[in-house]
Amino acid sequence: QKEVEQDPGPLSVPEGAIVSLNCTYSNSAFQYFMWYRQYSRKGPELLMYTYSSGNKEDGRFTAQVDKSSKYISLFIRDSQPSDSATYLCATNAGGTSYGKLTFGQGTILTVHP
Amino acid sequence: GAGVSQSPRYKVAKRGQDVALRCDPISGHVSLFWYQQALGQGPEFLTYFQNEAQLDKSGLPSDRFFAERPEGSVSTLKIQRTQQEDSAVYLCASSLGYSSGVRFSYNEQFFGPGTRLTVL
Repeated sequence: QKEVEQDPGPLSVPEGAIVSLNCTYSNSAFQYFMWYRQYSRKGPELLMYTYSSGNKEDGRFTAQVDKSSKYISLFIRDSQPSDSATYLCATNAGGTSYGKLTFGQGTILTVHP
Repeated sequence: GAGVSQSPRYKVAKRGQDVALRCDPISGHVSLFWYQQALGQGPEFLTYFQNEAQLDKSGLPSDRFFAERPEGSVSTLKIQRTQQEDSAVYLCASSLGYSSGVRFSYNEQFFGPGTRLTVL
């Protein structure tokens, strides 16, 4: 079993829909939680980063972390065709782990006009 | 540009050939990571450098994989005697750097576009 599990989808939604993306993780040492977006033939780019449990909002994007259930979520409001990409959750244990990231499999999202 | 660059962008190798993949990190970034991304999967950690020191190579799949960063800037990932299972996108990322232990603070990793390696 992988340390970070993510439903690969694919997920297809109409423009304007609310999108929910989720990951679970097994390592209690993980303290930092990230969401990356990856367009085709490109490297991942950081969308949001949270430390420990709680919510964080940035424009149309909201990240949630529930450490008690080891559950990570990303919500996208008013989704746009330009949001079509692969979304990767990632975690890091902090401390002596420097910045090594553990990624989920990625969820392919398509937003159609 | 100011981002992480990688070359070549695409590489086709015959099984058994050696390949070398280059990464130019963002200027001034202390930390450099290599990840391997198989088709339909998330990136998997390969190795980590802090300046020229390779502090973690636990993710390298076999002794055919070798990475170096001799002057603490440009890094090269070398794969000897390539096999079909080595086919993947190899991503390089750099960041300002990390302290450790209680002084740990997260710094964003900036990824390059990757090198797509196909082994025939």
